[in-house]
This record gives sequence, structure tokens and C-alpha cells, in this order.
Amino acid sequence: DAKTTQPTSMDCAEGRAANLPCNHSTISGNEYVYWYRQIHSQGPQYIIHGLKNNETNEMASLIITEDRKSSTLILPHATLRDTAVYYCIAQPPQGGSEKLVFGKGTKLTVNP
Amino acid sequence: GAVVSQHPSRVICKSGTSVKIECRSLDFQATTMFWYRQFPKQSLMLMATSNEGSKATYEQGVEKDKFLINHASLTLSTLTVTSAHPEDSSFYICSARPGWGEILYEQYFGPGTRLTVT
Repeated sequence: DAKTTQPTSMDCAEGRAANLPCNHSTISGNEYVYWYRQIHSQGPQYIIHGLKNNETNEMASLIITEDRKSSTLILPHATLRDTAVYYCIAQPPQGGSEKLVFGKGTKLTVNP
Repeated sequence: GAVVSQHPSRVICKSGTSVKIECRSLDFQATTMFWYRQFPKQSLMLMATSNEGSKATYEQGVEKDKFLINHASLTLSTLTVTSAHPEDSSFYICSARPGWGEILYEQYFGPGTRLTVT
């Protein structure tokens, strides 16, 4: 599985866009980029995933560079409830017993 | 979205006793469930993968005789911490994946169980 590198922590002002970078320079062709987040003392929550095209859903947008070596998760209008640890994971499609391996993630703090 | 519950949410037990944690998929059938452990200020560490009706697959370094996993039905998996010790105090989280061999992109996580061993 491709290793990912994320900043340890980031701050963002409430109402502004939060842009969370992730480096996955060793990603292979069949590996997707997944983003999960974990609010303090809760289980992780799926946010979005992508292979090579940019993706958007009701929670966030995912921008993947053309060479697929890095990506950015965008929360367009961050709220205080978006304060969490955000995990970027690069792995093959999840099926059967394929397991999800978490790194250290980015601690995002949204400030009022 | 799909809902996964865990019970209990919080448990305190004495050293040497056993504790059972339940993980249920409430509105879907989970062919595969995963158990994670998370120590304070650390990331989630996968402990084991369990498939319904078969033995769990444990990650390296996880004692299978200490952490007993049973996935007896498509909606329930249990983790029993046997002869618990203070170093087993942690946040235990399960996740579930629906589908029969489909390629899916989401795992659904439970809210976690905080275990404190005194």
C-alpha cells in the first residue's frame, strides 16, 4: 500500500475553505485515495474517495494531481464541527477482506 | 448512510476479568468486520479482520488468545478481551463492510468503546 504523508496539524478560520494536502508519491495505478475523519472520541467517518478524477460530494471536494502523486481535500466552508483528525489513505479498492490502514493524519482545528 | 453500533460505549473493569464488546450493523449485512484499537493521541491500529462464519485473521503482534473475536452472524461481531490488564485500556472501534465480494469504497465505523482496566 502506498505511504501517505500529511501535515501533523492545520488551523482554519470558521467559514473559510480548509485545504488539507496529502502526498502519495508512490501510489500505484490501482490504488484509490480515500479520506476519512475522526472527531474526538468517535469512530472514523468516510468523507470521499477518488482514483484520478476530481470528486465532489456533499461533504467535500477531492482534487488529485494529474500525476496522482498528491491530492487535496477541500472543505469549502469549514465549521467548528469540522474540527477533527483527517486521514488520507491510498490503497486498492476495498472489497472482501481488504483492510484499511490508517496513518497519523492531520489534526484540523477550525477556529471561531 | 449505514449505521454501526457498539455496546457498551464505555466500560470499567478490574484487572484479570474479561470484557465483551459487541459490534452490530443495524441496517445492512456485514460480511466483513474489522476491529481497531486506538491509544491516546495515536492513530487507529487494526487488530483483526473477521469474516462471518470463519475464524478471524489477526494482525501481527495481536494475541489471538487474548482478544477473542466471534462473527457469528451477518450483523454481529464480538470482541472479548480476556484477563484484561491496565495496558489493555484503550478505545476499541469496529467497522463493517457490506456486500458479498463487491468492490466498495466505504467502511462504516462504530462509535467506539472506551475500556478502562483498573
